[in-house]
Amino acid sequence: AQKITQTQPGMFVQEKEAVTLDCTYDTSDQSYGLFWYKQPSSGEMIFLIYQGSYDEQNATEGRYSLNFQKARKSANLVISASQLGDSAMYFCAMGLFGNEKLTFGTGTRLTIIP
Amino acid sequence: EAQVTQNPRYLITVTGKKLTVTCSQNMNHEYMSWYRQDPGLGLRQIYYSMNVEVTDKGDVPEGYKVSRKEKRNFPLILESPSPNQTSLYFCASSFSRGQETQYFGPGTRLLVL
Repeated sequence: AQKITQTQPGMFVQEKEAVTLDCTYDTSDQSYGLFWYKQPSSGEMIFLIYQGSYDEQNATEGRYSLNFQKARKSANLVISASQLGDSAMYFCAMGLFGNEKLTFGTGTRLTIIP
Repeated sequence: EAQVTQNPRYLITVTGKKLTVTCSQNMNHEYMSWYRQDPGLGLRQIYYSMNVEVTDKGDVPEGYKVSRKEKRNFPLILESPSPNQTSLYFCASSFSRGQETQYFGPGTRLLVL
């Protein structure tokens, strides 16, 4: 069975600083995808970034990058130059190729301090 | 605009009164899914559908039903809601499985009294 672990229930970060949100995963499959979603206080789920297990380079999307360390089974989200609008709940998730389910972690609540 | 819509967005009901939460997507996605979100538990999959008339159970299917008669629609049915089904529900869709992001609806907040 797949499992996603997010060990940081909450984080407080000063505005404009970089922040790393931790995510480790557990699977015996070789083909999988890792996702990060943002959930602001309004409740919607916003896709941020994706990393495939066979991708050799770390994924980047604007201020978001995914620090993928396959041997350690970690997929940390890095947000550069944090902004007040980054305050939200962040979820790490994993999907197996050919599987219909996303397995989610319990989330990290990020608060950006002015 | 490509989107997943859910209705209603907010619902308060009483135990045992059947309800349906609708979900519709306009992206011609084959795969659709329902999740529930509870504090401290993240999102857990209830049911999913790989295509029309093809559905299967997720991690927490008890107390729920689904149907997929059309590609764009995937309603979630609670035949006899109970207070432990009070939750935030999300519908999601995608083209393929696992390796592509799922697009989420706005969520439905359900309170069962």
